[in-house]
Amino acid sequence: GIQVEQSPPDLILQEGANSTLRCNFSDSVNNLQWFHQNPWGQLINLFYIPSGTKQNGRLSATTVATERYSLLYISSSQTTDSGVYFCAVIPHSGGGADGLTFGKGTHLIIQP
Amino acid sequence: GAVVSQHPSWVICKSGTSVKIECRSLDFQATTMFWYRQFPKQSLMLMATSNEGSKATYEQGVEKDKFLINHASLTLSTLTVTSAHPEDSSFYICSAIVGFLQLSSYNEQFFGPGTRLTVL
Repeated sequence: GIQVEQSPPDLILQEGANSTLRCNFSDSVNNLQWFHQNPWGQLINLFYIPSGTKQNGRLSATTVATERYSLLYISSSQTTDSGVYFCAVIPHSGGGADGLTFGKGTHLIIQP
Repeated sequence: GAVVSQHPSWVICKSGTSVKIECRSLDFQATTMFWYRQFPKQSLMLMATSNEGSKATYEQGVEKDKFLINHASLTLSTLTVTSAHPEDSSFYICSAIVGFLQLSSYNEQFFGPGTRLTVL
Protein backbone atom coordinates (compact mmCIF):
# COMPACT_ATOMS: atom_id res chain seq x y z
CA GLY A 1 0.00 0.00 0.00
CA ILE A 2 0.90 3.66 -0.14
CA GLN A 3 3.47 4.91 2.36
CA VAL A 4 3.12 8.29 4.09
CA GLU A 5 6.06 9.77 5.96
CA GLN A 6 5.89 12.92 8.04
CA SER A 7 8.75 14.97 9.36
CA PRO A 8 9.84 16.03 11.84
CA PRO A 9 8.18 13.67 14.33
CA ASP A 10 8.50 16.23 17.11
CA LEU A 11 8.92 19.99 17.04
CA ILE A 12 9.26 22.43 19.93
CA LEU A 13 9.07 26.14 19.16
CA GLN A 14 8.66 29.43 20.94
CA GLU A 15 5.48 31.40 20.48
CA GLY A 16 5.73 33.62 17.42
CA ALA A 17 8.03 31.30 15.46
CA ASN A 18 7.28 29.90 12.03
CA SER A 19 7.33 26.20 11.17
CA THR A 20 7.23 23.89 8.18
CA LEU A 21 5.88 20.36 8.38
CA ARG A 22 6.53 17.91 5.57
CA CYS A 23 4.60 14.94 4.21
CA ASN A 24 6.11 12.57 1.64
CA PHE A 25 3.99 9.92 -0.07
CA SER A 26 5.04 6.98 -2.20
CA ASP A 27 2.40 7.03 -4.96
CA SER A 28 0.17 9.44 -6.81
CA VAL A 29 -2.89 10.55 -4.86
CA ASN A 30 -6.38 11.87 -5.50
CA ASN A 31 -6.87 13.12 -1.95
CA LEU A 32 -4.45 14.69 0.50
CA GLN A 33 -5.69 16.22 3.71
CA TRP A 34 -3.95 17.93 6.63
CA PHE A 35 -5.49 17.65 10.09
CA HIS A 36 -4.81 19.05 13.53
CA GLN A 37 -5.71 16.69 16.35
CA ASN A 38 -6.54 18.61 19.48
CA PRO A 39 -5.90 17.33 23.04
CA TRP A 40 -9.40 15.83 23.16
CA GLY A 41 -8.76 13.77 20.05
CA GLN A 42 -10.91 15.72 17.60
CA LEU A 43 -9.47 15.87 14.09
CA ILE A 44 -9.85 19.34 12.67
CA ASN A 45 -9.73 19.70 8.90
CA LEU A 46 -7.03 22.15 7.89
CA PHE A 47 -6.69 21.63 4.16
CA TYR A 48 -7.95 19.41 1.37
CA ILE A 49 -5.04 19.76 -1.03
CA PRO A 50 -4.22 16.94 -3.48
CA SER A 51 -2.34 19.55 -5.52
CA GLY A 52 -1.59 23.25 -5.54
CA THR A 53 -1.40 25.86 -2.81
CA LYS A 54 -3.96 27.11 -0.31
CA GLN A 55 -3.91 29.58 2.53
CA ASN A 56 -6.14 30.04 5.55
CA GLY A 57 -5.05 32.77 7.93
CA ARG A 58 -1.69 31.89 9.49
CA LEU A 59 -1.70 28.47 7.87
CA SER A 60 -0.87 27.58 4.31
CA ALA A 61 -0.17 24.36 2.45
CA THR A 62 1.46 23.34 -0.80
CA THR A 63 1.31 19.97 -2.51
CA VAL A 64 3.67 19.18 -5.36
CA ALA A 65 1.92 16.11 -6.72
CA THR A 66 4.57 15.33 -9.36
CA GLU A 67 7.24 15.13 -6.65
CA ARG A 68 4.96 13.44 -4.11
CA TYR A 69 5.23 15.76 -1.17
CA SER A 70 3.19 18.31 0.70
CA LEU A 71 4.20 21.07 3.09
CA LEU A 72 2.20 22.71 5.86
CA TYR A 73 3.36 26.15 6.96
CA ILE A 74 2.41 27.69 10.28
CA SER A 75 3.37 31.31 10.77
CA SER A 76 3.47 33.33 14.00
CA SER A 77 2.79 30.23 16.10
CA GLN A 78 0.48 30.45 19.09
CA THR A 79 0.22 28.09 22.07
CA THR A 80 -3.16 26.94 20.75
CA ASP A 81 -1.37 25.56 17.68
CA SER A 82 0.10 22.80 19.87
CA GLY A 83 -1.01 19.28 19.11
CA VAL A 84 -0.46 16.59 16.53
CA TYR A 85 -0.61 17.38 12.82
CA PHE A 86 -1.50 14.53 10.49
CA CYS A 87 -1.16 14.20 6.75
CA ALA A 88 -3.46 11.61 5.14
CA VAL A 89 -3.89 10.46 1.56
CA ILE A 90 -5.93 8.31 -0.81
CA PRO A 91 -3.93 6.81 -3.68
CA HIS A 92 -5.03 7.19 -7.30
CA SER A 93 -4.93 3.42 -7.63
CA GLY A 94 -7.83 3.07 -5.23
CA GLY A 95 -11.34 4.35 -5.67
CA GLY A 96 -12.14 7.95 -4.86
CA ALA A 97 -14.26 6.89 -1.91
CA ASP A 98 -11.54 4.92 -0.16
CA GLY A 99 -10.37 5.39 3.40
CA LEU A 100 -7.42 7.59 4.21
CA THR A 101 -3.90 6.36 4.91
CA PHE A 102 -2.37 8.46 7.66
CA GLY A 103 1.20 9.41 8.38
CA LYS A 104 2.50 9.06 11.92
CA GLY A 105 2.08 12.74 12.58
CA THR A 106 4.18 15.65 13.80
CA HIS A 107 3.84 16.48 17.48
CA LEU A 108 4.12 20.27 17.77
CA ILE A 109 4.63 22.04 21.07
CA ILE A 110 4.49 25.84 21.17
CA GLN A 111 5.99 27.27 24.33
CA PRO A 112 4.91 30.69 25.66
CA GLY B 1 -21.48 22.41 7.26
CA ALA B 2 -20.17 18.81 7.11
CA VAL B 3 -20.59 18.09 10.80
CA VAL B 4 -20.18 14.53 12.06
CA SER B 5 -21.20 13.45 15.56
CA GLN B 6 -20.45 10.32 17.55
CA HIS B 7 -22.13 8.81 20.55
CA PRO B 8 -21.08 8.02 23.18
CA SER B 9 -17.95 10.11 23.60
CA TRP B 10 -16.57 7.62 26.08
CA VAL B 11 -17.63 4.24 27.43
CA ILE B 12 -16.34 1.83 30.03
CA CYS B 13 -17.52 -1.75 29.90
CA LYS B 14 -16.74 -5.14 31.35
CA SER B 15 -14.89 -7.78 29.39
CA GLY B 16 -17.27 -9.94 27.37
CA THR B 17 -19.95 -7.32 26.83
CA SER B 18 -20.87 -5.63 23.55
CA VAL B 19 -20.68 -1.91 22.90
CA LYS B 20 -22.41 0.07 20.14
CA ILE B 21 -20.99 3.33 18.81
CA GLU B 22 -23.06 5.63 16.60
CA CYS B 23 -21.76 7.93 13.90
CA ARG B 24 -24.10 10.52 12.40
CA SER B 25 -23.74 13.07 9.64
CA LEU B 26 -25.74 16.02 10.94
CA ASP B 27 -26.10 18.35 7.97
CA PHE B 28 -25.49 16.16 4.94
CA GLN B 29 -26.20 12.71 3.60
CA ALA B 30 -23.27 10.33 3.61
CA THR B 31 -23.44 7.28 1.40
CA THR B 32 -19.98 6.32 2.61
CA MET B 33 -18.59 6.45 6.13
CA PHE B 34 -15.35 5.12 7.54
CA TRP B 35 -14.26 3.72 10.88
CA TYR B 36 -10.76 4.23 12.23
CA ARG B 37 -8.98 3.16 15.40
CA GLN B 38 -6.23 5.02 17.21
CA PHE B 39 -4.09 3.59 19.99
CA PRO B 40 -2.38 5.97 22.44
CA LYS B 41 0.34 8.10 20.84
CA GLN B 42 -0.14 6.36 17.49
CA SER B 43 -1.66 7.24 14.17
CA LEU B 44 -5.11 6.42 12.87
CA MET B 45 -5.68 3.09 11.18
CA LEU B 46 -8.59 2.44 8.84
CA MET B 47 -10.75 -0.43 10.06
CA ALA B 48 -13.59 -0.54 7.57
CA THR B 49 -15.61 1.29 4.95
CA SER B 50 -19.32 1.53 5.57
CA ASN B 51 -21.65 1.93 2.59
CA GLU B 52 -25.32 2.69 2.98
CA GLY B 53 -27.45 -0.28 2.06
CA SER B 54 -24.62 -2.75 1.56
CA LYS B 55 -22.12 -4.76 3.53
CA ALA B 56 -19.11 -3.05 5.02
CA THR B 57 -15.65 -3.61 3.60
CA TYR B 58 -13.06 -4.50 6.23
CA GLU B 59 -9.32 -3.88 6.11
CA GLN B 60 -6.98 -6.82 6.31
CA GLY B 61 -6.58 -8.03 9.86
CA VAL B 62 -9.85 -6.56 11.15
CA GLU B 63 -12.26 -9.22 12.37
CA LYS B 64 -15.65 -8.56 10.79
CA ASP B 65 -17.45 -10.78 13.30
CA LYS B 66 -15.97 -8.79 16.16
CA PHE B 67 -16.53 -5.32 14.73
CA LEU B 68 -20.06 -5.30 13.29
CA ILE B 69 -20.89 -2.34 11.08
CA ASN B 70 -24.37 -1.30 10.01
CA HIS B 71 -25.07 1.66 7.72
CA ALA B 72 -28.85 1.62 7.80
CA SER B 73 -29.50 5.16 6.61
CA LEU B 74 -27.79 7.98 4.76
CA THR B 75 -26.97 9.71 8.05
CA LEU B 76 -26.15 6.88 10.45
CA SER B 77 -23.51 4.19 10.70
CA THR B 78 -23.00 2.05 13.79
CA LEU B 79 -20.00 0.06 14.99
CA THR B 80 -20.65 -2.70 17.49
CA VAL B 81 -17.68 -4.17 19.31
CA THR B 82 -18.85 -7.65 20.26
CA SER B 83 -17.51 -9.58 23.25
CA ALA B 84 -15.10 -6.78 24.03
CA HIS B 85 -11.77 -7.55 25.67
CA PRO B 86 -9.15 -5.24 27.20
CA GLU B 87 -7.11 -5.30 23.97
CA ASP B 88 -10.08 -3.66 22.20
CA SER B 89 -9.63 -0.57 24.39
CA SER B 90 -8.90 2.25 21.99
CA PHE B 91 -10.10 5.52 20.50
CA TYR B 92 -12.60 4.86 17.70
CA ILE B 93 -13.24 7.63 15.18
CA CYS B 94 -15.63 7.75 12.26
CA SER B 95 -15.57 9.94 9.19
CA ALA B 96 -17.89 10.67 6.30
CA ILE B 97 -17.66 12.13 2.83
CA VAL B 98 -20.17 14.42 1.20
CA GLY B 99 -19.61 12.54 -2.01
CA PHE B 100 -21.08 14.90 -4.57
CA LEU B 101 -19.09 14.25 -7.72
CA GLN B 102 -19.80 17.79 -8.85
CA LEU B 103 -17.57 19.04 -6.05
CA SER B 104 -13.83 19.11 -6.65
CA SER B 105 -13.44 18.05 -3.02
CA TYR B 106 -16.00 15.27 -3.28
CA ASN B 107 -13.89 12.80 -1.31
CA GLU B 108 -12.86 15.16 1.49
CA GLN B 109 -13.42 13.38 4.80
CA PHE B 110 -14.92 14.98 7.90
CA PHE B 111 -14.36 13.33 11.24
CA GLY B 112 -16.46 12.82 14.32
CA PRO B 113 -15.11 13.68 17.78
CA GLY B 114 -14.28 10.05 18.56
CA THR B 115 -15.31 7.49 21.18
CA ARG B 116 -12.90 6.38 23.86
CA LEU B 117 -13.57 2.73 24.77
CA THR B 118 -12.12 1.20 27.91
CA VAL B 119 -12.71 -2.50 28.53
CA LEU B 120 -12.07 -3.68 32.07
